[in-house]
Amino acid sequence: AQSVTQLDSHVSVSEGTPVLLRCNYSSSYSPSLFWYVQHPNKGLQLLLKYTSAATLVKGINGFEAEFKKSETSFHLTKPSAHMSDAAEYFCVVSDQGGYNKLIFGAGTRLAVHP
Amino acid sequence: DAGVTQSPTHLIKTRGQQVTLRCSPKSGHDTVSWYQQALGQGPQFIFQYYEEEERQRGNFPDRFSGHQFPNYSSELNVNALWLGDSALYLCASRRDRNPLTDTQYFGPGTRLTVL
Repeated sequence: AQSVTQLDSHVSVSEGTPVLLRCNYSSSYSPSLFWYVQHPNKGLQLLLKYTSAATLVKGINGFEAEFKKSETSFHLTKPSAHMSDAAEYFCVVSDQGGYNKLIFGAGTRLAVHP
Repeated sequence: DAGVTQSPTHLIKTRGQQVTLRCSPKSGHDTVSWYQQALGQGPQFIFQYYEEEERQRGNFPDRFSGHQFPNYSSELNVNALWLGDSALYLCASRRDRNPLTDTQYFGPGTRLTVL
């Protein structure tokens, strides 16, 4: 069975400093992995997805993630945080044995301070 | 191009009542999934509809049921509401062309409060 573990429930950074949100996955297959962002009182927005192509995936708003099979990790990074990045971030794996049912991590709340 | 839309935005019910939530998928999408997001948690898969049939279901009781219409829109019904059903209910849609890679797009959700 597939699963994801987000290693930090809260991350706090200063504006202009790098962001690192950590995610480990478990999958019997070559996984499809995603990062979604949820701003307060808003729906989920796809940041980026990995589907067995390039291991370094670039997404929207300057975010990127690197798929590391040896470490079973898919960490999300951004070189310089902006105040508008403050939100909840979810690491997600697709259920390979089904119809793309999405399995979410518990989420990481990112706070950005001036 | 309108994205995924959901109605209503907010809903307050009392225990034992029944509720119906609605979802219109993104244009061109034929597959609709429903997720429940309890406060402080990640979304949990409820079920998925394709060609007007439920084809996959998560670990939710039979009190949760759904429907998909010929225009691909969908409803989520919850009977005999419990306090624990209070959550944000999210609808997601995609095309079924390539289930493992086609992106799922989410609606803004319906916030259900059960008193």
